[in-house]
Amino acid sequence: AQKITQTQPGMFVQEKEAVTLDCTYDTSDQSYGLFWYKQPSSGEMIFLIYQGSYDEQNATEGRYSLNFQKARKSANLVISASQLGDSAMYFCAMREVITGNQFYFGTGTSLTVIP
Amino acid sequence: GAVVSQHPSWVICKSGTSVKIECRSLDFQATTMFWYRQFPKQSLMLMATSNEGSKATYEQGVEKDKFLINHASLTLSTLTVTSAHPEDSSFYICSARDESGSVGKNIQYFGAGTRLSVL
Repeated sequence: AQKITQTQPGMFVQEKEAVTLDCTYDTSDQSYGLFWYKQPSSGEMIFLIYQGSYDEQNATEGRYSLNFQKARKSANLVISASQLGDSAMYFCAMREVITGNQFYFGTGTSLTVIP
Repeated sequence: GAVVSQHPSWVICKSGTSVKIECRSLDFQATTMFWYRQFPKQSLMLMATSNEGSKATYEQGVEKDKFLINHASLTLSTLTVTSAHPEDSSFYICSARDESGSVGKNIQYFGAGTRLSVL
């Protein structure tokens, strides 16, 4: 089974609107971390936000927030007030604490912000 | 956030030559670094895990003799593509793990990647 599933290959959003990028994960471990990265066309993977499995509050970093629903095993990224510079690929990732090194990536969502 | 520097960002080489790619963590020490390969419009594929002072751990299907990894210090890992061939053309991206936080929150920071074209 896929560890990380991103079901939206491509998304469009109007500038200044909010957008939600979906991510579901699969793990039997109790302790894990969830991450979102942004990859613009230049190729660099930019760390956006982290959510720990034991964190009770949803993580927020500026315009980014993570809608963490543990029972549903989902970790959706919400980008508020979209900007043209937000157009990029977005990857959801997970690390299980027990396995340590392995970072499981989703297949990514391509976000296009429309002026 | 932490910075990982990767050089070169772009390289073209002739078939049969070797290419070395450097990955440096600039403001934190990284016991563990990772090398990924990414094909167009696909996710990252882990090639190997680089451990400072010991041998790298390669993923299944990755040729150890072709992709040589050296992690000689806590801030530098290198990937050498030996006897490169056109099928090795790809985007290679390194990552360093910042272990200063709690175990689960060890954030992996990525370099800007290296586009390798083998003629």
